[in-house]
Amino acid sequence: NAGVTQTPKFRVLKTGQSMTLLCAQDMNHEYMYWYRQDPGMGLRLIHYSVGEGTTAKGEVPDGYNVSRLKKQNFLLGLESAAPSQTSVYFCASSSGYTQHFGDGTRLSIL
Amino acid sequence: KQEVTQIPAALSVPEGENLVLNCSFTDSAIYNLQWFRQDPGKGLTSLLLIQSSQREQTSGRLNASLDKSSGRSTLYIAASQPGDSATYLCAVALSGAGSYQLTFGKGTKLSVIP
Repeated sequence: NAGVTQTPKFRVLKTGQSMTLLCAQDMNHEYMYWYRQDPGMGLRLIHYSVGEGTTAKGEVPDGYNVSRLKKQNFLLGLESAAPSQTSVYFCASSSGYTQHFGDGTRLSIL
Repeated sequence: KQEVTQIPAALSVPEGENLVLNCSFTDSAIYNLQWFRQDPGKGLTSLLLIQSSQREQTSGRLNASLDKSSGRSTLYIAASQPGDSATYLCAVALSGAGSYQLTFGKGTKLSVIP
């Protein structure tokens, strides 16, 4: 009973490197979301998707790209990582209004 | 822009005490309000969801109330236990096309002392 699985759990990058965070859900949910959580800032929505093949910008989309090629997967990409992107990233999915969260990816940019 | 505030930022209570966590929001045109729990190093777990037309929701020892006109919600925890120690976040969804998007407060960190 996996729910929402995020890969990797931890990562350290150097400034300018690129990487992709993977989110997979096994609940057949239509909606998927990427958030970042920073001390003193709370959770902020980066991008979201309302179905396979769709994506939309959230509150803080700059510096990130996303793709939803398959219903169960939602990818978050950092093309050129910056220290300001050091954060904990959470993925969530929902079929209605209750969102189910993964355990997060802790990303440090040096 | 919707802003969500949670007071206090941290709270420490002895086991067995009843307690109230507060959440306020600036735009009353909400679709629903949710309370989440977050354990250290973990994701969020949904506790209660209140639709804008409802006044309260209950689940076990938890009761959440909503006063949309005043922009306030409370989460009441009865007979607190050490296992209730966590950070509690409230989040609101605005009415309309963005009703699936949530705006979160910064949370209240609760410590229940045995």
